[in-house]
Amino acid sequence: EPEVTQTPSHQVTQMGQEVILRCVPISNHLYFYWYRQILGQKVEFLVSFYNNEISEKSEIFDDQFSVERPDGSNFTLKIRSTKLEDSAMYFCASSEFRANNSPLHFGNGTRLTVT
Amino acid sequence: KQEVTQIPAALSVPEGENLVLNCSFTDSAIYNLQWFRQDPGKGLTSLLLIQSSQREQTSGRLNASLDKSSGRSTLYIAASQPGDSATYLCAVRLRNTNAGKSTFGDGTTLTVKP
Repeated sequence: EPEVTQTPSHQVTQMGQEVILRCVPISNHLYFYWYRQILGQKVEFLVSFYNNEISEKSEIFDDQFSVERPDGSNFTLKIRSTKLEDSAMYFCASSEFRANNSPLHFGNGTRLTVT
Repeated sequence: KQEVTQIPAALSVPEGENLVLNCSFTDSAIYNLQWFRQDPGKGLTSLLLIQSSQREQTSGRLNASLDKSSGRSTLYIAASQPGDSATYLCAVRLRNTNAGKSTFGDGTTLTVKP
């Protein structure tokens, strides 16, 4: 069964550095998302992406964050000037449609640790 | 703003018991509701998807119901096993958004004792 893949599985970076988290969504999916989960907290929506542009973003997704679909397969989340509080698990998800019978498929996540 | 609540926050049962996990949401304008399982430090595994027009879905020992009018869903686990120990999350996919984002509950952490 097709799956969403994320790399790396774990990223350690120093405060102030930039990181890029990578995702390969399922190939025929049209909607892409990033979520994050701070340790011990709930999964939070960051941003949705459709038709090569951001569809919606949360208040968390400020100018420090950006997303890009540089080619036909990859979907990236860039975090500039990382802060300690950016430490979290970041999940990529994709969906075929925005419809009743269209589930979200999640990757296994990238654990980001900012030191 | 959609709020999703899961009760209880934690549950501990002996092996073999049947159990029910609860999820409630405030906005009924949803595409679907999805139940996930999350093991410690791991990703999200989709268990069941219930479309907004459906009342229930079954997969093996799992049965999920949806009452959209009252904003409630339950996940029923039959004959629980120690391997069922995990955190169970419900997520509602919103209709009144540009790309159908999902809102998650806090989860119920289940421990099944041998």
